[in-house]
Amino acid sequence: GIQVEQSPPDLILQEGANSTLRCNFSDSVNNLQWFHQNPWGQLINLFYIPSGTKQNGRLSATTVATERYSLLYISSSQTTDSGVYFCAVLRNDYKLSFGAGTTVTVRA
Amino acid sequence: GAGVSQTPSNKVTEKGKYVELRCDPISGHTALYWYRQSLGQGPEFLIYFQGTGAADDSGLPNDRFFAVRPEGSVSTLKIQRTERGDSAVYLCASSLNSGHNSPLHFGNGTRLTVT
Repeated sequence: GIQVEQSPPDLILQEGANSTLRCNFSDSVNNLQWFHQNPWGQLINLFYIPSGTKQNGRLSATTVATERYSLLYISSSQTTDSGVYFCAVLRNDYKLSFGAGTTVTVRA
Repeated sequence: GAGVSQTPSNKVTEKGKYVELRCDPISGHTALYWYRQSLGQGPEFLIYFQGTGAADDSGLPNDRFFAVRPEGSVSTLKIQRTERGDSAVYLCASSLNSGHNSPLHFGNGTRLTVT
């Protein structure tokens, strides 16, 4: 199956800092989503982004499908951004394959 | 409803017991998925429904696990003879259709603990 690698595994930020999370995948994909799982376990859909760039407030994402990677940018981080960020991809079937996640801790 | 609803939010059961986990998808979503998330890992696929039928159940770990969606809306995941290794968060997701351009929306999950 398709392999999804996320980096870094852990990230500690001071409030107000910017950061970039990376997702590499091993094969071409039809669907890529970024999720945020908050400390209470809720998994929230951030972006559906199989290619191109999207922005939503302080968050933006870019996927370069031909090079098999996606980036999630967090600007002016806030403590509420803490949690685990997952990248998930879908190839030719219906099973989203998740990476292991990046755990982000934003300190006040 | 506004989002995917899962009940119960927490379930503690003894080893060997039977449990049912319920998922109510977003209204109008035809595709429904069950995933399982163990501590420190990303969610893993269990089963996918398109309408009433299980289109892909290849992720179910063994025959103790079964899921139904009799009317094409609410789904129930059933686990027989639970084992301690079944302890995890069970996540349900739905999407408008099964196409590749239809993002998944997840519920808050059911945290199952088998003692």
